[in-house]
Amino acid sequence: AQSVTQLGSHVSVSEGALVLLRCNYSSSVPPYLFWYVQYPNQGLQLLLKYTTGATLVKGINGFEAEFKKSETSFHLTKPSAHMSDAAEYFCAVSGRNNNDMRFGAGTRLTVKP
Amino acid sequence: DAGITQSPRHKVTETGTPVTLRCHQTENHRYMYWYRQDPGHGLRLIHYSYGVKDTDKGEVSDGYSVSRSKTEDFLLTLESATSSQTSVYFCAISEQGGTNEKLFFGSGTQLSVL
Repeated sequence: AQSVTQLGSHVSVSEGALVLLRCNYSSSVPPYLFWYVQYPNQGLQLLLKYTTGATLVKGINGFEAEFKKSETSFHLTKPSAHMSDAAEYFCAVSGRNNNDMRFGAGTRLTVKP
Repeated sequence: DAGITQSPRHKVTETGTPVTLRCHQTENHRYMYWYRQDPGHGLRLIHYSYGVKDTDKGEVSDGYSVSRSKTEDFLLTLESATSSQTSVYFCAISEQGGTNEKLFFGSGTQLSVL
């Protein structure tokens, strides 16, 4: 079975500062990992995903995440936060198919001017 | 944006009444999903469908039923709504349901059960 733990339900950063959102996973099969972003009153949109191959994954809007098998982590980073990055971010792990996908509880990112 | 429409967008109902939420897609994707989103829980899968008339239970299916009579429509029914079913409901689709496929989400339905 798959599960995801997102450390920190709220993260606040200043504009221009590093964004780091933490995600640890548990999976009984080789995992596929995803980060989704949700803007207010909208559905989730895919930021990036890890399937196989390169462990550093680049996504949209300057975000990237690194798959570390030894640490069972898939943390999301962005070098310089922008006001438009304020949203809720969800980490997800998929098992054998998409109906096995499990989402974390989410981390709300606030960006201060 | 993926063509997914959820209706209604907002619904207030009373305990014990039946409620049906609709998801309509124009992408001709095979798989459709219903999730609920609750604070502290993220998204949890209620039911999913892998084709017309083919559905299966998800993680939190108790109290919910679904139907899919056409590729484009996936209905979620609360037979007798309870306050614990107050939530935001999201429909999602994927082309083949593969483990590495991304999900496309609708904009959600805010349901309040009083």
